[in-house]
Order: sequence, then structure tokens, then C-alpha cells
Amino acid sequence: QSALTQPASVSGSPGQSITISCTGTSSDVGGYNYVSWYQQHPGKAPKLMIYDVSNRPSGVSNRFSGSKSGNTASLTISGLQAEDEADYYCSSYTSSSTLVFGTGTKVTVL
Amino acid sequence: EVQLVESGGGLVQPGRSLRLSCAASGFTFDDYAMHWVRQAPGKGLEWVSGISWNSGSIGYADSVKGRFTISRDNAKNSLYLQMNSLRAEDTALYYCAKDRHYGDLTSFDYWGQGTLVTVSS
Repeated sequence: QSALTQPASVSGSPGQSITISCTGTSSDVGGYNYVSWYQQHPGKAPKLMIYDVSNRPSGVSNRFSGSKSGNTASLTISGLQAEDEADYYCSSYTSSSTLVFGTGTKVTVL
Repeated sequence: EVQLVESGGGLVQPGRSLRLSCAASGFTFDDYAMHWVRQAPGKGLEWVSGISWNSGSIGYADSVKGRFTISRDNAKNSLYLQMNSLRAEDTALYYCAKDRHYGDLTSFDYWGQGTLVTVSS
């Protein structure tokens, strides 16, 4: 159950688009469409942003989008805003019938 | 409104036990799988354990397998985590989280605010 690999940090200017990658294996990200993304602000509980690779829960801005290619999933934030500055985690179902999180990415709005 | 309220955390010595509880409201509890997720101070999220709606499917992270036991009482709308043989590395904020599905363990659409477990002598 190794953690999925994410870049430690990603930054962008307001209005720009950024993409966060989440790399796993064929036993997790590549094998299932149960990839989800979470946003966590300091001192707060995580919030679901994307589920089942590319679906947005009600109330989540359409500036957030998800995709997957092979063993790598991606979260794209377009029109970056100051409020998007937070930590982001991916998660995937695994072949062991467990779930695994990514290492986490700190997004900084310059 | 969905609410998940964790309790039972605290300071415990290494090797001892602790039982966490999560009281759920605002949704039909026995329609969904549930999870425990933890976060060590200053660290990332770690999935701990999940249980399907009818307790028929249960999973554990390797780091807690054989020491922790997840259970649920659908009549009481409650989720539990029995933690035995606690170690210093189990120190973390423990979140209760609701799954989007009833059977498969897929993703977490609602989270509690967490209960802090500190393992130290």
C-alpha cells in the first residue's frame, strides 16, 4: 500500500491554470475509476472536489476538473484564485480492496 | 445536513487501547459505507479502515491490520474504531468519513472534524 506520488508543491498566478499529477500503478489508479481529489485548508477537514476520476460534487466550482491517463490521474484548476491556496490529495481504490491517498500537494497562489 | 461527530480521542500510553466513536446524522446511515482516515501532525492523509453498509466488506491499511478493528451499529447510526497495541506512530487526528457508495469503498464525500489521539508515555 504505497502512497500515490504527487508533486510536493505547485504554484501559479491568479487567473492561470495549474495541474497536479497523481501517479500510481495498474493496481490502483490505472486499474479503477475510483480516483478522487480532496482540498484541505489549514486546520480544516478535507473537502471532496472530484470523484470517480472526473465528476464534480454539487457546489464545487467548475474551475476544478479531473482526468486520468494510464496510471496517472490529474487535477486541473483553471482561473486560479487566492481561495484555491490549500493542500490537495488524490485517492484511489486498490486491488487489495483498500484505499490509498497521495503524498499531497501544496498549491500556492503567487 | 450531514453531520459526523467523532469522540473518544485522548492521551494514551504505548501498548494500551482506545475506542473511537463517530455519531452520524442527516442521512440514512445504513445506506453508505464508512471510513476512518487519520492525519499525523503536519503530515498527509492516511486511510485507516473502511466498512460497507452491512459490515460485509471491511478493509484495513497494512499499518493497522491486526491491531485495529472497525465496526458499525446501524441501529445507533454509529461507527467505531477499536485501537489496540497503540504505538507512537498512531498519534494523529482521526477523521470519520462517509463514502459515496454503500458497498464498494470509493471516496469520502463528508468528513467530521476529527478526534485527536496522542500515544505517549
